[in-house]
Amino acid sequence: QSVLTQPPSASGTPGQRVTISCSGSSSNIGSNFVYWYQQLPGTAPKLLIYRNNQRPSGVPDRFSGSKSGTSASLAISGLRSEDEADYYCAAWDDTLSGYVFGTGTKVTVL
Amino acid sequence: EVQLLESGGGLVQPGGSLRLSCVGSGFTFSTYAMSWVRQAPGKGLEWVSGISVSGGNTYYADSVKGRFTVSRDNSKNTLFLQLNSLRAEDTAVYHCAKGDSSSIYYGMDVWGQGTTVTVSS
Repeated sequence: QSVLTQPPSASGTPGQRVTISCSGSSSNIGSNFVYWYQQLPGTAPKLLIYRNNQRPSGVPDRFSGSKSGTSASLAISGLRSEDEADYYCAAWDDTLSGYVFGTGTKVTVL
Repeated sequence: EVQLLESGGGLVQPGGSLRLSCVGSGFTFSTYAMSWVRQAPGKGLEWVSGISVSGGNTYYADSVKGRFTVSRDNSKNTLFLQLNSLRAEDTAVYHCAKGDSSSIYYGMDVWGQGTTVTVSS
């Protein structure tokens, strides 16, 4: 059961900016760090953004994360064909005493 | 390079058991919280269980509580997940994931490729 809500899909043409939202509550996003993962078909998830807005080394600066209250968002600027993937947000939930993932968003490059 | 290698998956009948293992390398295993995350065919990610650096604190999703047990052997850089009373809905790829820090409340930064568990008669 996913506690964090994401749009099922998002799309854009090459070069465009795409934003993915992640809606939670005070027990998860509102009080803990948000992480974003990219999952290419047939592969393991890869960390894109950690601790709300930090990029691991090797992740292009086209990817950025932000958080406000009980919501977070991932922005992909300068969209490229290799960005076609599923994207998940995640955060610890204090009420559940466990980790919760978003419902996932499939990004398509038109 | 940080690496996680899972093993132990397979085909098991409903009600059966399996023990998954995950060996970590390229980092100081004993100083990071660890988790298991699964993905059923065609579905999203589901966190299954987490464990503190010492192994003294364990956490479970409601869907597996009482059936699965997480543990770790820091001397062997290995994470385990004991799966009992398996159900068809437990069929999934199980990924081992390294925590971002020693705290379980932070996220996961490196994932293994996963091991497949299929529960079917």
